[in-house]
This record gives sequence, structure tokens and C-alpha cells, in this order.
Amino acid sequence: DGGITQSPKYLFRKEGQNVTLSCEQNLNHDAMYWYRQDPGQGLRLIYYSQIVNDFQKGDIAEGYSVSREKKESFPLTVTSAQKNPTAFYLCASSPMASRGETQYFGPGTRLLVL
Amino acid sequence: AQSVTQPDIHITVSEGASLELRCNYSYGATPYLFWYVQSPGQGLQLLLKYFSGDTLVQGIKGFEAEFKRSQSSFNLRKPSVHWSDAAEYFCALANDYKLSFGAGTTVTVRA
Repeated sequence: DGGITQSPKYLFRKEGQNVTLSCEQNLNHDAMYWYRQDPGQGLRLIYYSQIVNDFQKGDIAEGYSVSREKKESFPLTVTSAQKNPTAFYLCASSPMASRGETQYFGPGTRLLVL
Repeated sequence: AQSVTQPDIHITVSEGASLELRCNYSYGATPYLFWYVQSPGQGLQLLLKYFSGDTLVQGIKGFEAEFKRSQSSFNLRKPSVHWSDAAEYFCALANDYKLSFGAGTTVTVRA
């Protein structure tokens, strides 16, 4: 079955800790995206990658970092610089980084601060 | 600036009744528009999309949407709602290869 997997489903972060959210896709898509979802605010773009070894900041990149070493993987690290990390994080992919391409979403990871 | 507005935060509808969710956009050129649905604690699923051509777009699960350029709107409709349609619905605008999302509308279905 082709799709996008995100792990873990729930993640707990302590003060000052960096945590990494996993996103894997087997759709052979070139482009991948990370969104943050907060209640009543829709989805906001954190980072996106058009191709392996390349990525760009989205609208709310501060306190986050990413890597794209493999086509199928786009992990997101929430650093200690992100002061309000509690949110639902969604990973998405699309065949290409082209206007109008449908983005396909994973099931999400909920990050909570202890 | 490009933006999407969903004026209704929450809608309650009776099972079997019709549903209409509003979406207004701001964009300088021909917009590419999407409707997604999200069940609680899940990812987003594409319902339908509009790029050009016929202004009435058919989607999955019996949904349709109508693009009206004069009103800058892309409203989602379903003639008869099922209890399984209870979810959050997002309208999105393609801004280059990024999506700008509205804040979402939560739909509650009562028996």
C-alpha cells in the first residue's frame, strides 16, 4: 500500500529538549512538506522540500529544522528554541513541487510538552 | 496578499439535510482551490479540487463545489448529509507550490 507514515503518533517533550518527528513516503513523490496545526488556525507551513538535499523555510520555520537526505524521508526536529511546540504536526507529499499538485497527508503526530 | 477565509467556525446539521460550507479567497490570478476533510486526530483527505474549466466540481463522498469568480468563492455542498460526514473541513488555495489553508469549519451531524 502506498502512503505516508508518521511516527510516533504521540510525542512528549521536556523543557530544553530537541525531538524529531519522522515522516516516510513510498509514493515516489519529489516534494514533501511539514505543517503545524493549532485549533482554530488551520494549517501553517513550517518547511518544504522540492527535491532531495534541498529544502526551504515556510511561514513559521523558527525553532524547527529539517533534512532531506533520502527521497522517501523528511524528518522534522523541534528544537528547544521553539517555545510553544504543543500542536498537531502533519507531513504531506506531492508528485512535484508545482502549483496545483495535490498534496497527500500523513496521519499526523501530536506533540505535547511535559 | 493571498488568503483563504472560512466564515463559519462550526455548523450543525441534521442527518439527511443539505450542507453548504463557505470559502472565500483572495488571489490575483486564476486560483487553484482545494477542499480537504479531516476526521478527529487524523490526517487530511482531498475531497475535490478546481483548476479551470467547469465551475461545478464533483468530488468524493458525494460532495461538490462551485467556483464563482465574481464572488471570490468556492463553496462546498452535499445534498444529504450522513453521520460519517461529521469532521473538520478545510478550504485551501495553491500559492505557487504551497497551500494556504483556511481556519476550517467543524461539522456536527445530529441524528
